[in-house]
Amino acid sequence: GENVEQHPSTLSVQEGDSAVIKCTYSDSASNYFPWYKQELGKRPQLIIDIRSNVGEKKDQRIAVTLNKTAKHFSLHITETQPEDSAVYFCAARGDAGGTSYGKLTFGQGTILTVHP
Amino acid sequence: GEEVAQTPKHLVRGEGQKAKLYCAPIKGHSYVFWYQQVLKNEFKFLISFQNENVFDETGMPKERFSAKCLPNSPCSLEIQATKLEDSAVYFCASSQYGGTEAFFGQGTRLTVV
Repeated sequence: GENVEQHPSTLSVQEGDSAVIKCTYSDSASNYFPWYKQELGKRPQLIIDIRSNVGEKKDQRIAVTLNKTAKHFSLHITETQPEDSAVYFCAARGDAGGTSYGKLTFGQGTILTVHP
Repeated sequence: GEEVAQTPKHLVRGEGQKAKLYCAPIKGHSYVFWYQQVLKNEFKFLISFQNENVFDETGMPKERFSAKCLPNSPCSLEIQATKLEDSAVYFCASSQYGGTEAFFGQGTRLTVV
């Protein structure tokens, strides 16, 4: 099955700095890679996603890059703000036609702290 | 509804007791997923449904866990004879199709004492 590794496990930055979180996956059949932000005691919220036919996607201060050959993808947050502090999860999802269709395999999470 | 609704929000059970969690997916969504998030934060996939049919149950512990999605009823996840290690937040998610965005419920925090 799919295995997703996420690094770093904790990340501390100063307000205004950039933050980068990296993930690798194992199953070349995975073709959808979402990123979730989870605040303490809350549900995970989708913040950005990328499909395998795209190398990069940007939404304001958040961007995601995907390297299918190397099987890794990264989340980039620029101009970080204290409200960006949360746990961030990457995930990978398989293709239609497999019995694991729709199932998300999550990374281990990164605790991001943005200091004012 | 427009939101995945999970009940109860909190559940406390003594070891060996039964726990039953409920999830109402967003109307029109045909896929339902259950995930377990333990204190380490990691999400573990348990089971998925396509309408009322089990689609993928590879993550379900066979012995004490069961789940159902019946027509016109919330989906349910039941744990018989709970153990301390079952303490976790259980999230339900639904999606219109397997390949579309999954929306998560607020979770049920199960504490086994």
